[in-house]
Amino acid sequence: QSALTQPASVSGSPGQSITISCTGTSSDVGAYNYVSWYQQHPGKAPKLLIYDVSNRPSGVSNRFSVSKSDYTASLTISGLQAEDEADYYCCSYTSSSTYVFGTGTKVTVL
Amino acid sequence: EVQLVESGGGLVQPGGSLRLSCAASGFTFYNFWMHWVRQAPGKGLVWVSRVNSDGSITNFADSVKGRFTISRDNAKNTVYLQMNSLRDEDTAVYYCARGAFRAYYMDVWGRGTTVTVSS
Repeated sequence: QSALTQPASVSGSPGQSITISCTGTSSDVGAYNYVSWYQQHPGKAPKLLIYDVSNRPSGVSNRFSVSKSDYTASLTISGLQAEDEADYYCCSYTSSSTYVFGTGTKVTVL
Repeated sequence: EVQLVESGGGLVQPGGSLRLSCAASGFTFYNFWMHWVRQAPGKGLVWVSRVNSDGSITNFADSVKGRFTISRDNAKNTVYLQMNSLRDEDTAVYYCARGAFRAYYMDVWGRGTTVTVSS
């Protein structure tokens, strides 16, 4: 149950687009379309951002989008805003009936 | 309002035990899987365990298997995490989360309860 691999940090200027990758294996990301993404601001609980690879819950901005290819899912934040500065985690269901989170990515708005 | 409130955290010595509780409100509790997720200080999220709607199916991360158990009381709208043989590396904020209905993600999260394992 090794964590999914994410870049430690990504930064961008307001208005720009950034992409966060999430790489797993044939037992998790590559096995199912059950990848979800969570946003966590400092000292706060995680918040669901994306589910089942590319679906957004109501209330989540369409500036957040996801794609998936083989063992890698990627979250793109377009039109970067100051409020997007947070930690982001991907998560996948696994073939062992468990879940595995990514290592987490700190997004900085310059 | 859908809400999850964790309790039971605290300071415990290595080798000790602790039981966390998560009280749910605002939704039909017995319809949902429930999860526990933890986050060590300054570290990332780690999935710990889940239990199905009637408590008959449980799954655990390898790091806690054999030491932690998960259970629920649907009459009290509460899920529990019994933690035994605690280690320093179990120190973390423990979050309770609702598994989305018939899906494979966590859609509602509590604010967490802090567990510190130290002598």
